[in-house]
Amino acid sequence: AQSVSQHNHHVILSEAASLELGCNYSYGGTVNLFWYVQYPGQHLQLLLKYFSGDPLVKGIKGFEAEFIKSKFSFNLRKPSVQWSDTAEYFCAVISSGSARQLTFGSGTQLTVLP
Amino acid sequence: EAGVAQSPRYKIIEKRQSVAFWCNPISGHATLYWYQQILGQGPKLLIQFQNNGVVDDSQLPKDRFSAERLKGVDSTLKIQPAKLEDSAVYLCASSFGTGNQPQHFGDGTRLSIL
Repeated sequence: AQSVSQHNHHVILSEAASLELGCNYSYGGTVNLFWYVQYPGQHLQLLLKYFSGDPLVKGIKGFEAEFIKSKFSFNLRKPSVQWSDTAEYFCAVISSGSARQLTFGSGTQLTVLP
Repeated sequence: EAGVAQSPRYKIIEKRQSVAFWCNPISGHATLYWYQQILGQGPKLLIQFQNNGVVDDSQLPKDRFSAERLKGVDSTLKIQPAKLEDSAVYLCASSFGTGNQPQHFGDGTRLSIL
């Protein structure tokens, strides 16, 4: 069965700091990868997704993620965070062998200090 | 466009009682999902519908959980009888199709079992 690991449970940064959140998945075949974000009091929203092509994917609000197949990773990055980026971030994967089921990581809570 | 609507937002019941959640997906979305999100974990798929048919219910505890989508639009998820470990947020999501189609999430129902 596929699994997704997010090793950082809580990250605290100051405004303007750079961000990198780790995501690793276990499936060795074809995967589609996603990052979702949940702002306080709001529902989960899609931040960005990777299906194929350029492994560097750009999403909303200045976020980007890089798919590195050899490392089974899809890390999320942002060069300069803002207080409004405070949220919980979830990495998720659909693999070809999972009946197309979306599997989520356990999430990373990002707190940005003003 | 209107988002995925869920009700109620909060529910508190005692163990062994029954509870039901309702979801109205985005208009035109054929696929509907129910997820369970336990505190500190990512959402876990319980059941997926394509129109009014079940696509995947492999992780649904069928001895106590049931779900239906009779007319291929609204859906209800029921727990009977509830156990303490069912305390979680129950999320409904919908998508236009299956597989790679982005899923749109509702605000969820937070269930507390006393």
